[in-house]
Amino acid sequence: GAVVSQHPSWVICKSGTSVKIECRSLDFQATTMFWYRQFPKQSLMLMATSNEGSKATYEQGVEKDKFLINHASLTLSTLTVTSAHPEDSSFYICSAPDRFYEQYFGPGTRLTVT
Amino acid sequence: QKEVEQNSGPLSVPEGAIASLNCTYSDRGSQSFFWYRQYSGKSPELIMFIYSNGDKEDGRFTAQLNKASQYVSLLIRDSQPSDSATYLCAAGGNNDMRFGAGTRLTVKP
Repeated sequence: GAVVSQHPSWVICKSGTSVKIECRSLDFQATTMFWYRQFPKQSLMLMATSNEGSKATYEQGVEKDKFLINHASLTLSTLTVTSAHPEDSSFYICSAPDRFYEQYFGPGTRLTVT
Repeated sequence: QKEVEQNSGPLSVPEGAIASLNCTYSDRGSQSFFWYRQYSGKSPELIMFIYSNGDKEDGRFTAQLNKASQYVSLLIRDSQPSDSATYLCAAGGNNDMRFGAGTRLTVKP
């Protein structure tokens, strides 16, 4: 099946710094990718839809200036958490759908902000 | 607001029993429906998808879809302790995927 990778798999950063997370579709092209956040023992929360060549669509309550999304190519989307704070500590997961809308998930990135 | 609703559980069944997981969705435009399993600290993994009304079977798993009732279910036969996880229901359309909150299943030996 299709593979989606994420990098890094985990990151620890200091409060106030920025962190970039990459999501790559390894063997298929994805015009759309989704970014989710998951807090412990909670479900996936869709943050934004990343569209290749255009602006991302953010869910209500997600700050677009804090969570910068760039979908520069058909195989790469990046999420940058700017001026990170401890409350941004979470598990960030990306996914990319194939033409049948089946979602392929990345392995996730665990962010800890100290 | 497009919603996908699931009972949060926890659902506990003995080993060998049938586990039944239910899901409803609000968007009648949804075209495809998925069940994912997620172990703690891991990304979701696809179990099954279904597009048409009726049942779809794959090994110990059976997905059921009723578009008139906007209802999707997943049956797990001969439940095993390794099936203990959170099960996520998802409904999708054109580049839009919504997840339910997930049902935590525990299969007791």
